[in-house]
Amino acid sequence: GAVVSQHPSWVICKSGTSVKIECRSLDFQATTMFWYRQFPKQSLMLMATSNEGSKATYEQGVEKDKFLINHASLTLSTLTVTSAHPEDSSFYICSATPSENRDTQYFGPGTRLTVL
Amino acid sequence: AQSVAQPEDQVNVAEGNPLTVKCTYSVSGNPYLFWYVQYPNRGLQFLLKYITGDNLVKGSYGFEAEFNKSQTSFHLKKPSALVSDSALYFCAVRDKGFQKLVFGTGTRLLVSP
Repeated sequence: GAVVSQHPSWVICKSGTSVKIECRSLDFQATTMFWYRQFPKQSLMLMATSNEGSKATYEQGVEKDKFLINHASLTLSTLTVTSAHPEDSSFYICSATPSENRDTQYFGPGTRLTVL
Repeated sequence: AQSVAQPEDQVNVAEGNPLTVKCTYSVSGNPYLFWYVQYPNRGLQFLLKYITGDNLVKGSYGFEAEFNKSQTSFHLKKPSALVSDSALYFCAVRDKGFQKLVFGTGTRLLVSP
C-alpha cells in the first residue's frame, strides 16, 4: 500500500520549453501532495504544498509562475516547469499524504529533468 | 523553526556489524520524527516514524530508532548491517500542528562485505 508514482522518470528538453511532471497516488486518496527539488548530493528542498481543489502554497524563493502546480483530483498533482532553463535541471520528487492518515508522507520515485 | 541535524556525512560499517546513523532535532512542540532511505536515482522510501508512545520504534528492513527527548535525538539503528543497506538516509521532523517536513542533509551509509 501507499504507492506513489511519477511520470516521466526522466526528461530531457530544450531551453525555453515547458515540461509537465505528474504525481499520482495509486492506492490511496491524497488531499495533500508536496513537491520537492533535490540537487546532487544534497537534501530535499520543499518547493510547494499542493492541496486538492485549491491553490498551492509555495515556499519562500520559489517562483509560482515558473513552477505551476495543479492538484485537480485526490490522486493526481502536476508540476509544470515553464520556460525551462539549464539551471532548472534537477531531480524533482513528489510526496503524498493519505487523507485518512496525514501523519506520513509517501514519496514518488522522482523525475530527473535535464534542460539543454 | 524546525530543524534537523545529521552530523555524519558518511558512516562506514562492515557487514554483520551493528550500525547507527545519528539524528538530532529542534522543534517547538511535540516532534513527529521520520527516517527515510534513498537509493541512487530513486525517491525516498519510508522506514519508520515516531509520533507518540514507546521510545523505541521498529520499522522496515530490520531498522529501529530510539527517541530520546532529553537529548533531542532520534538515532537510526540496525543490529546487523547488510551490504544492501548501503544507501542515503534522511532524518526528518515536523511539528505536530504542521504537515511540512524538514529534512536533514542526509547520511550516506556504506556497508562493506
